[in-house]
Amino acid sequence: DADVTQTPRNRITKTGKRIMLECSQTKGHDRMYWYRQDPGLGLRLIYYSFDVKDINKGEISDGYSVSRQAQAKFSLSLESAIPNQTALYFCATSDPRGSTGELFFGEGSRLTVL
Amino acid sequence: DAKTTQPPSMDCAEGRAANLPCNHSTISGNEYVYWYRQIHSQGPQYIIHGLKNNETNEMASLIITEDRKSSTLILPHATLRDTAVYYCIVRVVSWGKLQFGAGTQVVVTP
Repeated sequence: DADVTQTPRNRITKTGKRIMLECSQTKGHDRMYWYRQDPGLGLRLIYYSFDVKDINKGEISDGYSVSRQAQAKFSLSLESAIPNQTALYFCATSDPRGSTGELFFGEGSRLTVL
Repeated sequence: DAKTTQPPSMDCAEGRAANLPCNHSTISGNEYVYWYRQIHSQGPQYIIHGLKNNETNEMASLIITEDRKSSTLILPHATLRDTAVYYCIVRVVSWGKLQFGAGTQVVVTP
């Protein structure tokens, strides 16, 4: 089983609908992140959380909200989806005590907003 | 975090070494150089990182110039499975965040 699991993996929705993307991890990491990726571009940071009580905006947080329900769970919500939020979304985790500082990514959630 | 500059694409023959350059002329003294790769829309995968010394692991080698303004990722014997987008990122480790550029699309051909 994957250490970082994202659900759903694929979702097609309509403009104006509320969408939640969920991320759960079994790595025991305190830090979690949400990124989006548009075709041909690198990943851009939406929100990040360094622990359950800490939520921070990334570079493109407008139109998104997050919830850190537990150390292992970090959800991304689109309150009213719009077509330009069509993208590939990635959740990631990291351990600040780790020797490499690397981020561990989920397999991605592909969202299409019609 | 300092920005990086990478060529948009490069080709490599299977079995040969792939040398991926990265410029990071504004890097700060406490910033590390990280390399990640992304295989066909999968989640990015960590490859290697370094501060100022050259580093090697089972996946690749990282060569950082003495002035730290540029670096080269070396895949010693490229395989078809190494076809991916490779990202060079500089960051302060304690911050946790990664800031991605567009990366280099590497295509390994038979």
